Amino acid sequence: GNSVTQMEGPVTLSEEAFLTINCTYTATGYPSLFWYVQYPGEGLQLLLKATKADDKGSNKGFEATYRKETTSFHLEKGSVQVSDSAVYFCALVDQGAQKLVFGQGTRLTINP
Amino acid sequence: ETGVTQSPTHLIKTRGQQVTLRCSSQSGHNTVSWYQQALGQGPQFIFQYYREEENGRGNFPPRFSGLQFPNYSSELNVNALELDDSALYLCASSFVAAYYNEQFFGPGTRLTVL
Repeated sequence: GNSVTQMEGPVTLSEEAFLTINCTYTATGYPSLFWYVQYPGEGLQLLLKATKADDKGSNKGFEATYRKETTSFHLEKGSVQVSDSAVYFCALVDQGAQKLVFGQGTRLTINP
Repeated sequence: ETGVTQSPTHLIKTRGQQVTLRCSSQSGHNTVSWYQQALGQGPQFIFQYYREEENGRGNFPPRFSGLQFPNYSSELNVNALELDDSALYLCASSFVAAYYNEQFFGPGTRLTVL
């Protein structure tokens, strides 16, 4: 079935560092891809999305490009801030069952 | 526009008991999905409700059941609680006609089973 694999965490960076969180997927057809963020004690918030190959989703300085040839959707940010500390989830939409399939999450900590 | 709300925020139960969690969908949405997020894991799909009918189910036993009401709010019921049911339960609402099925999540209910 469909699945999402994220890089192992936790990830700890200094403020203003460059961030990459890897995400690869296995899916039949052409799923839509998402990055969600979960701040401590809160639910999930949609960070960005891409609905077809070569689409680039972007929001709050974060970017991710839908790469069909490598089945990847890596999250990047050029200069992270302490406020970016959270858990990040890569996900895809299983169109057949209308459900989101999530990766295991990557905990990001940014130190000042 | 009101977002997705869930109640209660926290709940403590003992093994074997039954629990009901509640979710109010975002205005204009007609579909509710429930997810279980164990500690340190990604959310796992439990089931989805559309027009008061179950519209897809994940790999969860029948003791996990749900309801959707005419106002599109929803309940998740879990019978015969087990220790492994301890988790954050997330509700998400969406408008099913949307192509990419964007789902909007509530803050969750933290269930602890002792």
